[in-house]
Amino acid sequence: DAGVIQSPRHEVTEMGQEVTLRCKPISGHDYLFWYRQTMMRGLELLIYFNNNVPIDDSGMPEDRFSAKMPNASFSTLKIQPSEPRDSAVYFCASSSSPFPQPLFGSGTRLTVV
Amino acid sequence: GENVEQHPSTLSVQEGDSAVIKCTYSDSASNYFPWYKQELGKRPQLIIDIRSNVGEKKDQRIAVTLNKTAKHFSLHITETQPEDSAVYFCAASKNYGQNFVFGPGTRLSVLP
Repeated sequence: DAGVIQSPRHEVTEMGQEVTLRCKPISGHDYLFWYRQTMMRGLELLIYFNNNVPIDDSGMPEDRFSAKMPNASFSTLKIQPSEPRDSAVYFCASSSSPFPQPLFGSGTRLTVV
Repeated sequence: GENVEQHPSTLSVQEGDSAVIKCTYSDSASNYFPWYKQELGKRPQLIIDIRSNVGEKKDQRIAVTLNKTAKHFSLHITETQPEDSAVYFCAASKNYGQNFVFGPGTRLSVLP
């Protein structure tokens, strides 16, 4: 298995533009997590899904952020409109019941200028 | 909600010495505690974990201890090597794996 696959690896965009981050979890995993990592705030859980259903989105910073999981093999995190303070590394992770430990993708480094 | 604190924020040790990183958590219902290692520019990778029904777990040079009463758990690395240099994160969760809360991280430097 190739592990959790994220795209793009790097994204540079202008303030106000829409940004879409993509994730393919490990096949057979039923949990999918989106994390954001910054120097100031560390690793923050934004949202997680179980069997494609959003379970907890309390970490989503504001309405500009949205996440979807249309099927078991694909998820997106969208920011619209993007702002410079959204600059961070965004990680997707997945896990499989009953083994809870999330396995992380390589991350997307987002820079909003 | 859960709050996880981690100390120290930075740690430098000589190669061959031991390193200890400590974490405390606030929610007594938390029952699963993994540790992740993140090298510069890389993804966090799980190195060891412990469940609340176990007091200690060891894997070669790495061990984790858990004190449920005091709500703290620690990572111990023995015979440190330069490749152990990284940022280490502890985490806590309830329900064995849902909704992890991570500590702020410890930057470990192993000096040759």
